[in-house]
Amino acid sequence: EADIYQTPRYLVIGTGKKITLECSQTMGHDKMYWYQQDPGMELHLIHYSYGVNSTEKGDLSSESTVSRIRTEHFPLTLESARPSHTSQYLCASSLGGTSGPQETQYFGPGTRLLVL
Amino acid sequence: AQKVTQAQTEISVVEKEDVTLDCVYETRDTTYYLFWYKQPPSGELVFLIRRNSFDEQNEISGRYSWNFQKSTSSFNFTITASQVVDSAVYFCALSLSNFGNEKLTFGTGTRLTIIP
Repeated sequence: EADIYQTPRYLVIGTGKKITLECSQTMGHDKMYWYQQDPGMELHLIHYSYGVNSTEKGDLSSESTVSRIRTEHFPLTLESARPSHTSQYLCASSLGGTSGPQETQYFGPGTRLLVL
Repeated sequence: AQKVTQAQTEISVVEKEDVTLDCVYETRDTTYYLFWYKQPPSGELVFLIRRNSFDEQNEISGRYSWNFQKSTSSFNFTITASQVVDSAVYFCALSLSNFGNEKLTFGTGTRLTIIP
């Protein structure tokens, strides 16, 4: 059972607002990821981190930014939300270290964002 | 570049029927990892199974079974005696063996509806 949490679960916000989506895990995992899932169900990696002070952009370009100041915390920020940002955002983590690429990514419950 | 194809967008079966979800993958790497995840209506992705490219043994876990065939680049998932709780979107995913490149490539998902 994975212990990875996301808040809020649902967010409705107006255009231009700054928002931060929270993601925390209690498993001590080094690697963390953010995926964006569009209404057509496909998941796209937008950010990932291999550890504290490490952040990389994913395959899908995103206007969001992330930070990794603590191992357990990987927040995602949108400085100025737009309707095109409406989507579900899923956070995941995996063990990292020397365990290699075969490790499993465990996902949080997701945040459904609606920008009006 | 790697790719995962789930040709079945939506499947509906009557409860207690067996159902198979197809997954075809493409990669030039000889070492890779395949995953299945379940996404119930609540939104989170639940890890189901991980297989590496060197292990072609089929796996059974309760009513779930997986058929991995490298010759056809397929990793199909069968649910036996389906139940309403199996209704969800199922994703097949692939990751490569390069350390530092463990990003998951997802298929577009198959929405499975079990009719009571």
